[in-house]
Amino acid sequence: SQQGEEDPQALSIQEGENATMNCSYKTSINNLQWYRQNSGRGLVHLILIRSNEREKHSGRLRVTLDTSKKSSSLLITASRAADTASYFCATDGSGYSTLTFGKGTMLLVSP
Amino acid sequence: ETGVTQSPTHLIKTRGQQVTLRCSSQSGHNTVSWYQQALGQGPQFIFQYYREEENGRGNFPPRFSGLQSPNYSSELNVNALELDDSALYLCASSLAGTDGYSFGSGTRLTVV
Repeated sequence: SQQGEEDPQALSIQEGENATMNCSYKTSINNLQWYRQNSGRGLVHLILIRSNEREKHSGRLRVTLDTSKKSSSLLITASRAADTASYFCATDGSGYSTLTFGKGTMLLVSP
Repeated sequence: ETGVTQSPTHLIKTRGQQVTLRCSSQSGHNTVSWYQQALGQGPQFIFQYYREEENGRGNFPPRFSGLQSPNYSSELNVNALELDDSALYLCASSLAGTDGYSFGSGTRLTVV
């Protein structure tokens, strides 16, 4: 079963705009990770935020985590056409350390 | 490059057949996990191996089995293939006690 739900399911923006994706989850977590996937290929790790962190930055990425609301957001600033991909949040919280993924957000960035 | 390689890239099998997918983990990683990703869905955890022993299993039937070898290689075996087994199968390696996961590019399995 899916742990998280990403919102929106799909997002279409113009180059240079910011893209915000949200993720909600159900159980307690050790950390939350965001991944990117191009055209059904492998997953690329973007950023990890631990349960005791509230915000984290990496280049054009900004992730927030609200454990009281069991939610996270991923902000991509100044988006580029090359950012077009599906984005997944994944929580790591089980005893034997596996990832539970949401259904993803499809991002389309038009030139 | 994540250092995790999967083979084959694509595979077409007939319903009822058996299939073996292979994964070579990143050097130094002692844990390997397999995920199934159906079209339009997020990856779903199949099982995990740690030091060559199954260490956890998701909601998949026993016809999904695997193994992990000491040389960083791993296999996912699926018996009695069903049409719904058509999916992208992803392998991820990690080092127990750390947060990082490295994913392979996946094997696209089509069951006809």
